[in-house]
This record gives sequence, C-alpha cells and structure tokens, in this order.
Amino acid sequence: NAGVTQTPKFRVLKTGQSMTLLCAQDMNHEYMYWYRQDPGMGLRLIHYSVGEGTTAKGEVPDGYNVSRLKKQNFLLGLESAAPSQTSVYFCASSWSGLEYNEQFFGPGTRLTVL
Amino acid sequence: GQNIDQPTEMTATEGAIVQINCTYQTSGFNGLFWYQQHAGEAPTFLSYNVLDGLEEKGRFSSFLSRSKGYSYLLLKELQMKDSASYLCAVKDNYGQNFVFGPGTRLSVLP
Repeated sequence: NAGVTQTPKFRVLKTGQSMTLLCAQDMNHEYMYWYRQDPGMGLRLIHYSVGEGTTAKGEVPDGYNVSRLKKQNFLLGLESAAPSQTSVYFCASSWSGLEYNEQFFGPGTRLTVL
Repeated sequence: GQNIDQPTEMTATEGAIVQINCTYQTSGFNGLFWYQQHAGEAPTFLSYNVLDGLEEKGRFSSFLSRSKGYSYLLLKELQMKDSASYLCAVKDNYGQNFVFGPGTRLSVLP
C-alpha cells in the first residue's frame, strides 16, 4: 500500500512555462485535495474533488487547473507559471468528507519558478 | 473571514509537558484537526475534536472549546522525536474547505 504518492518531487520552471503535478492514491478514497504550503502561512487549499469527474475551487485557485478523470488520480496544472507559485505542493485524500475522516497527505512537490 | 492563530515557535525539555494553543475565527465549524509535520515531510493526522472537551490518545491530548474558538494540543513525556511543526486546522461548514493555521514549530531539547 503506497498511500498517496506525488510526481515529481522537485521541479524548477521558468516564468511562463507550464507543468502538471500528478497525485495518485491507492486507498480507494473519494475525496482528493491540492494544497500549497508557504513559510509562515500554513497550508492553503487550491482545489479539491469529491469524486471522479468532479472538481471545485478552494481558497487560492487562481493560476491553477485540476482534473480528476480517474478516481485514483488528481492532476494539478499550471498553465503559465509565475514566481508567486514557488511553493511546496501537497496532495491529500480522504475516504469521504464526513467530519471525522482524516486526510492522508502525499510527500509533497517542491516547485521553484524563476 | 477565516483566521487561525498559533504561536510560531516553542521550546521544551525532553520528558516535560507542553501545551500548544490554537484560536480560530471561521465562517463555520465542522471539526478541528491537529496534524504533526516533521521538517521536509508530509503532515500526519494526530487528533480530531468536534465536541467540547478533551480527547486523549496516548501521550497526546487535544481540547476544544467551541464557544471560545479555542483548542490546545497537550504533549506529555516529550521525546526528541516530537520536535516538529504542529498544525491546527478547522473544517468549515461549506464544501470541503479546511483552514489551516500557520503551524507551531516545537523544539525538544535534551
């Protein structure tokens, strides 16, 4: 059981380049989330999904797009990267959105935009 | 608005007890979570409170007062491996929005 995995672990982009971050989970979880973590600001929710084929905006969605074509995968896209998107990105999943269901986090992707 | 406050840093001695406070003001409340995050690693779940009172889990306990918008995480018999950041998060009533605090970095000294 790998849990939640993220690809890649590190990436350096130039301003204006695009990329896709992949999140995969093997726990058959319905809910998946993308967060960014910046120093002193805690985790901020970018987008989330409550099931295959559905996505919704979180707190900081601008500049990002997501897709959930398969239940086990949740993709985060940056169409035109900006230095303000330099951050550590975490994917998480949970069995459902019920109050007591904890989130399981992936190891993170460290992204630098020059 | 959404706001969660935690102390930025705390220091304690091995074997001691430490209390990490969290105050919140959110647009709704549907539970409070505590996560532990070691440097360079992913957050891992520690505890969940939705009703007022104390939840105990081994060396870790978490307390909630909804009327005061206040929670704390209590760590007993501190060990060196407890050196980490501790994140407080509130789930609001709308969708699946989790609001995280900035985290408290705890250093445990010998």
